Amino acid sequence: DAGVTQSPTHLIKTRGQQVTLRCSPKSGHDTVSWYQQALGQGPQFIFQYYEEEERQRGNFPDRFSGHQFPNYSSELNVNALLLGDSALYLCASSTGTPAGEQYFGPGTRLTVT
Amino acid sequence: AQSVTQLDSQVPVFEEAPVELRCNYSSSVSVYLFWYVQYPNQGLQLLLKYLSGSTLVKGINGFEAEFNKSQTSFHLRKPSVHISDTAEYFCVFYNNNDMRFGAGTRLTVKP
Repeated sequence: DAGVTQSPTHLIKTRGQQVTLRCSPKSGHDTVSWYQQALGQGPQFIFQYYEEEERQRGNFPDRFSGHQFPNYSSELNVNALLLGDSALYLCASSTGTPAGEQYFGPGTRLTVT
Repeated sequence: AQSVTQLDSQVPVFEEAPVELRCNYSSSVSVYLFWYVQYPNQGLQLLLKYLSGSTLVKGINGFEAEFNKSQTSFHLRKPSVHISDTAEYFCVFYNNNDMRFGAGTRLTVKP
């Protein structure tokens, strides 16, 4: 049984560009959450998708958007990249219960130059 | 405001010594609490969780944590650490689809 997978593993972009990161949840999971982990910090919650809709959102600007597909996979899009967007982006999947128990993927390392 | 605070950013210990990683939370409502571990260049892995019931929670790799409502704490402990326990540990708070991570504690186990 594959766990949570993310692609790509590494990515280098230039300021102002746009990027799309992808996530496939663990089998049987229907909820996907995205986190940003800056170097030396804990993950910060970006948003959560359930039934193809954004259910909850953290304190991130509208440049960060997402999508969930009928097969529960998800994408994170970031527009107008800033240097400060350089981070490890983590995807986590879960089911409705037990509350909050999430399984994390290995992450995508985004570097903005 | 709801938050979680890890009181130590770095904890160095010798192999086979006991360790405690401290975590305090702030919330006016009932919460769920977790500890996750992040090994170098790997994803986050769940160590243990407190949802309800017994306040002493046992997890994987010999770790345990105690939920203390009066002190709003959820400290992580292990009686004897191994070199392989070297990693970043995150205390996590969850309430109503809001999952918040502490800043992390870097545990370094020395031979």
